[in-house]
Amino acid sequence: EIVLTQSPGTLSLSPGERATLSCRASQSVSSSYLAWYQQKPGQAPRLLIYGASSRATGIPDRFSGSGSGTDFTLTISRLEPEDFAVYYCQQYGSSPRAFGQGTKLEIK
Amino acid sequence: EVQLVESGGGLVQPGRSLRLSCAASGFTFDDYAMHWVRQAPGKGLEWVSGISWNSGSIGYADSVKGRFTISRDNAKNSLYLQMNSLRAEDTALYYCAKELGSYGSPFDYWGQGTLVTVSS
Repeated sequence: EIVLTQSPGTLSLSPGERATLSCRASQSVSSSYLAWYQQKPGQAPRLLIYGASSRATGIPDRFSGSGSGTDFTLTISRLEPEDFAVYYCQQYGSSPRAFGQGTKLEIK
Repeated sequence: EVQLVESGGGLVQPGRSLRLSCAASGFTFDDYAMHWVRQAPGKGLEWVSGISWNSGSIGYADSVKGRFTISRDNAKNSLYLQMNSLRAEDTALYYCAKELGSYGSPFDYWGQGTLVTVSS
């Protein structure tokens, strides 16, 4: 069973800054089957990135994903006010389809 | 437009059962795998169970294995989660989620969730 650990737990930044979120897997994620989701309060999660680096439909290009094996990164190049939310990584290459514990991105 | 509408949540006593439903529309339901994901109050996301397009592949989280059963009725465009022997720790918002593919891809659409509260 793959366990995903996200860091940091909370990230405090200002609009316009660059955000770097990390997701580390306890074992290699097959074929980079790693996704990132964004969740705002009171809303369902939204798919941002899949296959470690492919943006989902309608996702702005300020969001990018990278990594392979056990280390993955979500980067938001220039934070917009609507980007402050909780972000989760998920591996979907094997069962169980584990999620990380989340990173809260808050306004500094 | 893809829509996923969960129902069946509510207040239930420990040890009792509950059946959740998810009504799907706006896409060809029997082409896609479906999942249940839950979120306890103030906590993160927890994958619960998933089922392939033809019910040939099914998976469960260890926390619910042997107590929960996922199923689907492609003729009714519906997904179900039968939850037995409920515990306080099953209290959560339960989301229905559609996969991007038939089984083995991320979740591209989510419902708004149905709340399950297990308490005496």
